[in-house]
Amino acid sequence: EVQLVQSGAEVKKPGESLKISCKGYGYSFTRYWIGWVRQMPGKGLEWMGIIYPDDSDTRYSPSFQGQVTISADKSIGTAYLQWSSLKASDTAMYYCARFEGVAHWFDPWGQGTLVTVSS
Amino acid sequence: EIVLSQSPGTLSLSPGERATLSCRASQSVSSSSLAWYQQKPGQAPRLLIYGASSRATGIPDRFSGSGSGTDFTLTISRLEPEDFAVYYCQHYGSSRATFGQGTKLEIK
Repeated sequence: EVQLVQSGAEVKKPGESLKISCKGYGYSFTRYWIGWVRQMPGKGLEWMGIIYPDDSDTRYSPSFQGQVTISADKSIGTAYLQWSSLKASDTAMYYCARFEGVAHWFDPWGQGTLVTVSS
Repeated sequence: EIVLSQSPGTLSLSPGERATLSCRASQSVSSSSLAWYQQKPGQAPRLLIYGASSRATGIPDRFSGSGSGTDFTLTISRLEPEDFAVYYCQHYGSSRATFGQGTKLEIK
């Protein structure tokens, strides 16, 4: 079974750094893009960016470029999303999803990582 | 930048009724890059339709997608209680993905 398993919920203070993870199982991790999607409380889905783990080719949404860093370690089949200095407005659920690079859909999705930033 | 506008924002229907959800793109897009997702409270989104009209694995045949150019539709032929959720359309092109703002399908 193809699945993505994300790291657990985080509670951080403004200004702190954070790196959350997404590990792929049941498929060749290097052959598919991985995408990250933000969902703020009570809101819709926002695409943040995608990464191709084989060569770390990365594409960012203009809205998130410079605000986060997407990376991957293909040796352990894991993608990451990181912040160097969190803000309260980063409080959200973050999903990773496998991205079909030819036909352009996201499937499957990870279970989500809730990030709470509060002083 | 392509913008996807979904309508209506909220749709109130009863089980057994037919649901028609719309997704309109700000400019013509490739049908092969249009997908639909279902999200239930507390759950991750689930792929329903890809390529505008192909059902994903395990999706019941009461779900169907259609459309081309700028206008796309997700139809649920006979609503089951488990279909009440939020639905999103999504497009990818020019190295960017975009989601619509969602349609909430609620029980009337």
